[in-house]
Amino acid sequence: NAGVTQTPKFQVLKTGQSMTLQCAQDMNHEYMSWYRQDPGMGLRLIHYSVGAGITDQGEVPNGYNVSRSTTEDFPLRLLSAAPSQTSVYFCASRSDSIQYFGAGTRLSVL
Amino acid sequence: GENVEQHPSTLSVQEGDSAVIKCTYSDSASNYFPWYKQELGKGPQLIIDIRSNVGEKKDQRIAVTLNKTAKHFSLHITETQPEDSAVYFCAASESFQKLVFGTGTRLLVSP
Repeated sequence: NAGVTQTPKFQVLKTGQSMTLQCAQDMNHEYMSWYRQDPGMGLRLIHYSVGAGITDQGEVPNGYNVSRSTTEDFPLRLLSAAPSQTSVYFCASRSDSIQYFGAGTRLSVL
Repeated sequence: GENVEQHPSTLSVQEGDSAVIKCTYSDSASNYFPWYKQELGKGPQLIIDIRSNVGEKKDQRIAVTLNKTAKHFSLHITETQPEDSAVYFCAASESFQKLVFGTGTRLLVSP
């Protein structure tokens, strides 16, 4: 089992560019989430999904879009990147109470 | 909404000593309290969790205690080893999905 796979591992964008952070899990988990991690602030929930076709906003959703067309995939889209979106992004899937995190994507927006 | 405070931000101990990390939460409706360990360059990994109907839980060298009245919970690591060095996060949630994390504690265990 690969668990939760995130791509890319690193990305540099210019302000205003768009991109999609990919997340895939092979554990058949219904629940998936996106978090961002900033220094001194822990992890904050961006968006989450309780199953294919169902998404909802977390604590810091502005500037991000998500969709869930399959159980396996939960991509995070930045439509117009801003320097404030420089962060490390983690995707997670959940089975019962346990969240399994990917290795993260480090994003810099210049 | 929920707010979780975590202390200390850094903790240095000698190998074999005990380490204690403390968290407080604000929402009395929170009923699930996990602890995550994050090693450099990796995602957080669950190491232990506790639910509100339990006051203490232990797993080998790690234990978590919960005081619902005071709204605080703590992680205890005994007989620390260098491989325990990492960043530890507490979290609180009313549901398993929407975790609110503390700001993290960097633990350094010196040989």
